[in-house]
Amino acid sequence: QKEVEQNSGPLSVPEGAIASLNCTYSDRGSQSFFWYRQYSGKSPELIMSIYSNGDKEDGRFTAQLNKASQYVSLLIRDSQPSDSATYLCAVIFDMRFGAGTRLTVKP
Amino acid sequence: NAGVTQTPKFQVLKTGQSMTLQCAQDMNHNSMYWYRQDPGMGLRLIYYSASEGTTDKGEVPNGYNVSRLNKREFSLRLESAAPSQTSVYFCASSEVFGDEQYFGPGTRLTVT
Repeated sequence: QKEVEQNSGPLSVPEGAIASLNCTYSDRGSQSFFWYRQYSGKSPELIMSIYSNGDKEDGRFTAQLNKASQYVSLLIRDSQPSDSATYLCAVIFDMRFGAGTRLTVKP
Repeated sequence: NAGVTQTPKFQVLKTGQSMTLQCAQDMNHNSMYWYRQDPGMGLRLIYYSASEGTTDKGEVPNGYNVSRLNKREFSLRLESAAPSQTSVYFCASSEVFGDEQYFGPGTRLTVT
């Protein structure tokens, strides 16, 4: 069965630190990868998409993809309390989402 | 520009009752999706419509039916609700199938 795995956390980091979120997937045919942020009681909102091996940066966020090792990660630099949320990894070969990692940024 | 809208926001059903969840998008997207989200299980795809006129089963389709009414609207029907269908339901859309998805606000459904 195709799987997308994330560490459920919670991951706690101090304000200003780098938060590192990881995701592994089982389907080698996967081509498109996305990170979503979901605040408690709200719907997921898209943060980043990545399609090629390597890094992709957007502001404080960097997505990293390694297809050979079948993992995708999200780095959040200068973490803020407003970044506290659950982060969902999505592998869009068959629309599978990870269960999410809950991040808490402490002031 | 409302994006993706869903109705209702909350619903309580008794076992065996039926209901339809409505979803509409105003972004001229071709593809639409229905997910359910349960605690600790992430989002699971129920059904999707890659383009107007087509629908396909996702990971957890049992107990549900869908209708792609037109390019804007995609509804999800529960014919005979069961307590196992208690969940939060999200509709999403994307410009093309498999591309970045945009989510509606969700419907919180409780089946007693």
